[in-house]
Amino acid sequence: DGGITQSPKYLFRKEGQNVTLSCEQNLNHDAMYWYRQDPGQGLRLIYYSQIVNDFQKGDIAEGYSVSREKKESFPLTVTSAQKNPTAFYLCASSPGREAPETQYFGPGTRLLVL
Amino acid sequence: LAKTTQPISMDSYEGQEVNITCSHNNIATNDYITWYQQFPSQGPRFIIQGYKTKVTNEVASLFIPADRKSSTLSLPRVSLSDTAVYYCLVGDAGNTPLVFGKGTRLSVIA
Repeated sequence: DGGITQSPKYLFRKEGQNVTLSCEQNLNHDAMYWYRQDPGQGLRLIYYSQIVNDFQKGDIAEGYSVSREKKESFPLTVTSAQKNPTAFYLCASSPGREAPETQYFGPGTRLLVL
Repeated sequence: LAKTTQPISMDSYEGQEVNITCSHNNIATNDYITWYQQFPSQGPRFIIQGYKTKVTNEVASLFIPADRKSSTLSLPRVSLSDTAVYYCLVGDAGNTPLVFGKGTRLSVIA
């Protein structure tokens, strides 16, 4: 059953703590993305990767870090530098450099600050 | 990237046809138009995609005029389960990520 999985569904962060959100896909997609969504708002791009071992900052990369060591995995770390991390985080993937682009989304992780 | 403009919200009664229009005056020659649907606490789901004229699938229809400066998503006979946020995006091949605006919040009323 192909798709994108994100874990955990809910995540709690303490003050000064780094936390890592998992994103895995078995669609054999080249490109992967991380978005942040705040209540009543649209999606904002944090980081994206179009190929293994390469990634670019999105619109709101400060306080976040990523890695892309494997094609199927694109974990996101929310660092202590991110002062307002409470949000809904969405991971997506797409086939890559082909038109037209279609992104497939995971179920999301809700991050809450204790 | 071409910017899109769509209504913030819309209301509709069950059984009616709903048309959501998106403006994209600066659309480029290579750009496609894609619509996504998002339910609360879920990831967006692809609905439909087109380049010109009309595209229809089992969920919706997409109407694109000749100048491609706007597009209209048409949902036939909506039900309560169609209550969601609908996003219109414009973009070409995957060199630059798509940009999600705030979308249109559709509320279907019984």
